[in-house]
Amino acid sequence: EAGVTQFPSHSVIEKGQTVTLRCDPISGHDNLYWYRRVMGKEIKFLLHFVKESKQDESGMPNNRFLAERTGGTYSTLKVQPAELEDSGVYFCASSQSGTRTEAFFGQGTRLTVV
Amino acid sequence: EDQVTQSPEALRLQEGESSSLNCSYTVSGLRGLFWYRQDPGKGPEFLFTLYSAGEEKEKERLKATLTKKESFLHITAPKPEDSATYLCALTSGTYKYIFGTGTRLKVLA
Repeated sequence: EAGVTQFPSHSVIEKGQTVTLRCDPISGHDNLYWYRRVMGKEIKFLLHFVKESKQDESGMPNNRFLAERTGGTYSTLKVQPAELEDSGVYFCASSQSGTRTEAFFGQGTRLTVV
Repeated sequence: EDQVTQSPEALRLQEGESSSLNCSYTVSGLRGLFWYRQDPGKGPEFLFTLYSAGEEKEKERLKATLTKKESFLHITAPKPEDSATYLCALTSGTYKYIFGTGTRLKVLA
């Protein structure tokens, strides 16, 4: 069974440009999460989808970040315009429905804004 | 505020030298305590979930335990391939994980 896949694995963009990260969750997983790790810090929550609906977006840093989940399948995270402090590793994770389920993570997208 | 603190930040062990990693936490209502392993350039890989104080889980050389204030990841007779960063995370009222900063483990042959 395929795991969570993310694309691209690396992205280097200039300040002010736009970048779109993609996540394909494990098939059948209703829950999809985005997390971010900035250098030297812990992994932090960004937002949570249940199917196509945003359940919790309390971790989104500001309105330059836009997440979507089309038809409850794959998800995209767009950063527009990118700033230097957006650099970090962005992880996507998915989990099954229910209250006692672990999340499975993708390999991450390393974003560098120069 | 819910919080997770891991110690030590880094640990070097000789092959076969058993040790424990600590995850202490403060939380309003624990839903689950999770342990993950992360190798360089990869995403966190799920190891264990613990739900209540007194619970224990084992997998090969790893054993996770949980009390009301902390969790331990015991590593028995580690091998070089156990070298990785070990992450602790918890959930409380929602599904979102609150992570610690991790323990970087290096096992020397």
